[in-house]
Amino acid sequence: GEDVEQSLFLSVREGDSSVINCTYTDSSSTYLYWYKQEPGAGLQLLTYIFSNMDMKQDQRLTVLLNKKDKHLSLRIADTQTGDSAIYFCAESPLDNQGGKLIFGQGTELSVKP
Amino acid sequence: SQTIHQWPATLVQPVGSPLSLECTVEGTSNPNLYWYRQAAGRGLQLLFYSVGIGQISSEVPQNLSASRPQDRQFILSSKKLLLSDSGFYLCAWGTGGLDTQYFGPGTRLTVL
Repeated sequence: GEDVEQSLFLSVREGDSSVINCTYTDSSSTYLYWYKQEPGAGLQLLTYIFSNMDMKQDQRLTVLLNKKDKHLSLRIADTQTGDSAIYFCAESPLDNQGGKLIFGQGTELSVKP
Repeated sequence: SQTIHQWPATLVQPVGSPLSLECTVEGTSNPNLYWYRQAAGRGLQLLFYSVGIGQISSEVPQNLSASRPQDRQFILSSKKLLLSDSGFYLCAWGTGGLDTQYFGPGTRLTVL
């Protein structure tokens, strides 16, 4: 079945790099996403990567995709206190009806000053 | 640009009362629309999705229903709320092509 797994918590110090990891099961997924949720708010799309790419960089964010191991990671460089939030990874399976996404449980990132 | 609204932002309702949550999207036509619930455990549960007016797909059996009376309006309802209906309800829209979904600000529902 389809499943996306993430570790629940990550704590880093301000200025360090954060790496949030995700594993997925559907090798046919066409796109993989990272969303950010701040307290009491909806999910904000951070970035996405097409399944035929290995890496995508967008300012402080770097997404790495290891398709063989079905492993996705999000690296945040120079992590700031404003980066504290819950980060969700999501996959879009190939045989997707209605554009549904499969979300992980979310990783709560805590940035300490 | 596209925007998505949810109303109300917070709601406290007694058990057994009815529910109506509204979601509207601006700046796009014929979007796919989604209702999610996020319980205290944080995970997102897809409740309903719709690919067009009057077309509703239910993902899990439950005490809730959804309707899409207009192209950019999605409504989540219940005739009688249960304690277990408490949670954070998120509406999202997507075009179905890239499968990217864009979320609204959410409604916090507390059933007492």
